[in-house]
Amino acid sequence: DAGVTQSPTHLIKTRGQQVTLRCSPKSGHDTVSWYQQALGQGPQFIFQYYEEEERQRGNFPDRFSGHQFPNYSSELNVNALLLGDSALYLCASSLEGNNQPQHFGDGTRLSIL
Amino acid sequence: AQTVTQSQPEMSVQEAETVTLSCTYDTSENNYYLFWYKQPPSRQMILVIRQEAYKQQNATENRFSVNFQKAAKSFSLKISDSQLGDTAMYFCAFMNPGRGNKLVFGAGTILRVKS
Repeated sequence: DAGVTQSPTHLIKTRGQQVTLRCSPKSGHDTVSWYQQALGQGPQFIFQYYEEEERQRGNFPDRFSGHQFPNYSSELNVNALLLGDSALYLCASSLEGNNQPQHFGDGTRLSIL
Repeated sequence: AQTVTQSQPEMSVQEAETVTLSCTYDTSENNYYLFWYKQPPSRQMILVIRQEAYKQQNATENRFSVNFQKAAKSFSLKISDSQLGDTAMYFCAFMNPGRGNKLVFGAGTILRVKS
């Protein structure tokens, strides 16, 4: 039973570029959440997708956008990259509904030069 | 807004001994969930233990247990018989089911288990 998988594992970009990160949820899960974890800090919630719609959003600018596909996989897009976007980006999947435990992937380490 | 505070940036413990990690949170809600996650150097966030606020009994998972003090808004994690594999960053997290199941994390505590 595959867990949450994220790709790529590591990515290097320069300021102003755009990036797309990908996530495949754990088998059977239909809800995907994205978190940003800056070095030495706790993860911060970016947004959550369910039924291909953004259901909830954290305090992140519109440069951060996402998508969920019919197979429940998801993408996180970040435009006009800033140095401050350097972080570990974590994807978590769960079953729909409150109180469903979230399962995390290994993350994508994004470095902005 | 809910906030989670972990006041211990780093902790260390000798193998086989017991250690307690502290966490406090702030919320006006009455129904919520609290979690401890472990993040080893491999980066994957692993759920250690979960507590429902409406349950008075403290959650226990093998060597891991919590001390949940709802009135004090405190949620500490006790690790008994510490093992080298427990070395990791530990995050306390809060979830309000009335606002979706997004997790609000603390800043984390680095735990080092020494042999």
